[in-house]
Amino acid sequence: GENVEQHPSTLSVQEGDSAVIKCTYSDSASNYFPWYKQELGKRPQLIIDIRSNVGEKKDQRIAVTLNKTAKHFSLHITETQPEDSAVYFCAASKGGSYIPTFGRGTSLIVHP
Amino acid sequence: GAVVSQHPSRVICKSGTSVKIECRSLDFQATTMFWYRQFPKQSLMLMATSNEGSKATYEQGVEKDKFLINHASLTLSTLTVTSAHPEDSSFYICSAGPSGGAQETQYFGPGTRLLVL
Repeated sequence: GENVEQHPSTLSVQEGDSAVIKCTYSDSASNYFPWYKQELGKRPQLIIDIRSNVGEKKDQRIAVTLNKTAKHFSLHITETQPEDSAVYFCAASKGGSYIPTFGRGTSLIVHP
Repeated sequence: GAVVSQHPSRVICKSGTSVKIECRSLDFQATTMFWYRQFPKQSLMLMATSNEGSKATYEQGVEKDKFLINHASLTLSTLTVTSAHPEDSSFYICSAGPSGGAQETQYFGPGTRLLVL
């Protein structure tokens, strides 16, 4: 089955800095890569996703890049704010009826 | 957007008792729902796939007699933790995707925090 590795497990940045979270996946058939944000004690929420037919997708301060050849994808957050502090999960799916396999999560802490 | 609710949001029970957690899809039908367990500062661990009208599919290492799942309708799945013990204390989250649609995007419930004394 699919195996998703996520790094780092904890990331601490100053407000205004950029943050990058990296994930690798093992199944070359995976073609859909969502990112979820989970605030403390709350549900994970989808923040951005990317499909394998594109290499980059951007939505305001967040962007995701995908390297299919290397089987890795990254989440980039620019101009971080304290409210960005949360646990971020990457995931990989073969799409359609396949549910995603989640990474172990990255705890992002943005210091004011 | 798709909304998933869970009830209760938190529950405290005595060791040896059973606890039922409900997961509802509020504005869509879900043939399949998923149950996860999450320990503090850890990832989502898929416990089982709940199938409407049929038996649930459990992940390796998850005791089906310990975690009973019932998916009696297209909008409701329940997870019952039987004879709960302190080690069952955790955050339980369900998720679902609209029937007939892609399951690649999952909508999560708000979670249920279980504390077994």
